[in-house]
Parts: sequence; structure tokens; C-alpha cells
Amino acid sequence: DQQVKQNSPSLSVQEGRISILNCDYTNSMFDYFLWYKKYPAEGPTFLISISSIKDKNEDGRFTVFLNKSAKHLSLHIVPSQPGDSAVYFCAAKETSGSRLTFGEGTQLTVNP
Amino acid sequence: KAGVTQTPRYLIKTRGQQVTLSCSPISGHRSVSWYQQTPGQGLQFLFEYFSETQRNKGNFPGRFSGRQFSNSRSEMNVSTLELGDSALYLCASRRRGGAYEQYFGPGTRLTVT
Repeated sequence: DQQVKQNSPSLSVQEGRISILNCDYTNSMFDYFLWYKKYPAEGPTFLISISSIKDKNEDGRFTVFLNKSAKHLSLHIVPSQPGDSAVYFCAAKETSGSRLTFGEGTQLTVNP
Repeated sequence: KAGVTQTPRYLIKTRGQQVTLSCSPISGHRSVSWYQQTPGQGLQFLFEYFSETQRNKGNFPGRFSGRQFSNSRSEMNVSTLELGDSALYLCASRRRGGAYEQYFGPGTRLTVT
């Protein structure tokens, strides 16, 4: 049972445009959400997070939006840069612990 | 501050053997988690250790085990290796006390032949 889903395996955007990566979840006990970026041959790098009591969190070019009623979150990258090309994972944490449940990842390609 | 380190980076083993992977967390981080990543799948949670105690365990068979030492370093062991154990094994550390962000090492690429 995949509790965190990233339905788009890949996304391609032009440099300077907005990248929007989506993530859906099914577990109502998730109370904290995170986005990670992963380059080949490296471990995932933490990008940005959001608590379930908020609906938006911003950090530079990265903004995460949370829609609790729809059980949906998204990561916006503006403007996109070629160096943003990587696999992006969303992850979620349950209220009762600290383990993270990850989605399958979305390969973002930013074309110059 | 140095990041999470994992050794070895690459490993080739034969089916039926056992393997031990090592992880050193970020200085001051006392919680260590292990994840398995296989092609086409996200990261699957294996277990979490804090203060030398396993706090959480994922849905993996008993062949997968771990431990944590008093200096917070952690090891993961897989016994009786199977071909399906070929994967990238990632270790992540975090502070305790309300911080949920986990910081990952580069991983150990295990190939079972």
C-alpha cells in the first residue's frame, strides 16, 4: 500500500520557467512533510519542509504548498535552473513517530 | 560540520553471504535511520536507532538487523544475502527534540551476484 504517491515519474521544463512537482498521500496521520532532491551517486539532500498546521512554506526559489483536505502537496521551483535537474522525493512523517515514508520520486529535467 | 559518512561506498557479495554496512552520523545527531532504495521504488524504511536502541522497524525480514554504538555510529547487517537485496542502502541522521529533517549519507551500493 503506497501511502505517498508521486504520479509523475518525470517532468521537463525550460530554464527560467516554473517547475511544479506533485505528491499525494493517503494517511491522515501524517503531520509533517518534506521534499528531498537526489543527484545520481549521492544521497538525498533535504530541501524544504512543512508542518500540517501550515499551508505554505517558502525558502528562496522553493515553495511547498499543502492542501490537507485534498491530501496533496506540491513543490514549486521558480525560476528553474539546469542545476535543479535531479530526482525529487516527497516524504511524510506520522504524528506518532519520526520514520519517513517516501514517494517513488519524480525526475526533473530543466533544459537550458 | 562534516556530513553523514557511509562505508564502504560499493560492495559486491555472493548470494548466501552476509554483509555489514557502517554509518557515522553528523556530529551531535543521535538518531540514525536506514533506508533501502531499489530501482523504480522510493526509499523503504528499514529501522531507526536512538541511544543504542531500535526505536522503529520497517517491514523487512529478520535477515536485516542493525545496531548503534555509544558514539551514535551505526551498523547494518544483512545475513544470507539474496539477489533481491541488491540496492542502495542509505543512512540518515537527525537531531532529536522536534527536528524531523533527516540528513542522508551518500549510500552504499550493494550488488549481490
